[in-house]
Amino acid sequence: SAVISQKPSRDICQRGTSLTIQCQVDSQVTMMFWYRQQPGQSLTLIATANQGSEATYESGFVIDKFPISRPNLTFSTLTVSNMSPEDSSIYLCSAYTLAGEPGGQETQYFGPGTRLLVL
Amino acid sequence: AQTVTQSQPEMSVQEAETVTLSCTYDTSENNYYLFWYKQPPSRQMILVIRQEAYKQQNATENRFSVNFQKAAKSFSLKISDSQLGDTAMYFCAFMKRPRQGAQKLVFGQGTRLTINP
Repeated sequence: SAVISQKPSRDICQRGTSLTIQCQVDSQVTMMFWYRQQPGQSLTLIATANQGSEATYESGFVIDKFPISRPNLTFSTLTVSNMSPEDSSIYLCSAYTLAGEPGGQETQYFGPGTRLLVL
Repeated sequence: AQTVTQSQPEMSVQEAETVTLSCTYDTSENNYYLFWYKQPPSRQMILVIRQEAYKQQNATENRFSVNFQKAAKSFSLKISDSQLGDTAMYFCAFMKRPRQGAQKLVFGQGTRLTINP
């Protein structure tokens, strides 16, 4: 399976500021995803991070609020911009492995998450 | 659009007992994957088990097994000889089998499982 790390693991931020979350995978993967998990809720996909092209956002999420970078096949960042208390959530990245990639199955593996609290 | 439903918000069993978590889904797709993920208090999402819809055989991983009923669109998780470390939120998830690129996971609302000593 792919091993994924995220930084920071948690942060407390003031409203109006921005936070960039980093996601590192231990092997090259085709696709990476960013999810949000609001308190007591399930996971909701924010966007798909494509290497070499712009991210694809789900309904309700926009690039100005959640800009994403994917500079290579092992790394991605998500920025939460102009934060408000409603952005307090856990943000998780995942790596999608194909049959020919390390992991060997069409599966998504998750990082440990970033717990964000906005005051 | 696909939907995933977990009808049991919370469950509680004694250590060493067997417990079954329910999941149903709705899709018009024929080729897809189903997953169970575990999220302990550490918040890490851990893959428990994976089922390919085109395989009739139910997946098993040690103490974890599934009962996959494709016609009924049901995908339950059985945990045998439950252990204290199994205490976690369990999420059922659906993913279309990608023809190109990748597909997102669609999650159920989760079942909070508590194993009591």
